[in-house]
Amino acid sequence: DVKVTQSSRYLVKRTGEKVFLECVQDMDHENMFWYRQDPGLGLRLIYFSYDVKMKEKGDIPEGYSVSREKKERFSLILESASTNQTSMYLCASSRLTEAFFGQGTRLTVV
Amino acid sequence: GENVEQHPSTLSVQEGDSAVIKCTYSDSASNYFPWYKQELGKRPQLIIDIRSNVGEKKDQRIAVTLNKTAKHFSLHITETQPEDSAVYFCAASLNTNAGKSTFGDGTTLTVKP
Repeated sequence: DVKVTQSSRYLVKRTGEKVFLECVQDMDHENMFWYRQDPGLGLRLIYFSYDVKMKEKGDIPEGYSVSREKKERFSLILESASTNQTSMYLCASSRLTEAFFGQGTRLTVV
Repeated sequence: GENVEQHPSTLSVQEGDSAVIKCTYSDSASNYFPWYKQELGKRPQLIIDIRSNVGEKKDQRIAVTLNKTAKHFSLHITETQPEDSAVYFCAASLNTNAGKSTFGDGTTLTVKP
């Protein structure tokens, strides 16, 4: 059974803080993704990675960066958190097609 | 890039009725179309998918149809039950190693007992 685990379920940060969201998968998947989920806007892709140290921008990369030093771990970084980054963040992994999602991190920036 | 539109945004049906959710996509190269179900407070999970070489696929009460010419695909749920209440997302992608999908905005389905 594939497991994708996000380090925090809920997070509250202050404006301007540097924020790290961590994601780990245990199925040796090549591909990992970070999505942002907002009501009425579906799942929007922030960044994805198809190999260690490889990353590609998704549809809304502004204000975010990522790091993938090991195959199983994919980190999302908010360099300077802003209130408009308050959202639910979902990590996912896949080998070819089906995406397996983590439980999500609800981030509130105050 | 790919653009996926999903309708309706909300859908309310009586238990036992059928529910249909429709999606259109823009990139004719897309060849993999999954549907995810997200129950309240839980993660999205794949419920059914279809590839471009198939026109229809069925799994018990759930079916998906694909019209490649018109670039649209639909999810059909028959004999709906209260536990079908959830947000449903369609997606479109290229069947490559990248596995990157573009998602629709979601449909909130409510099944009234």
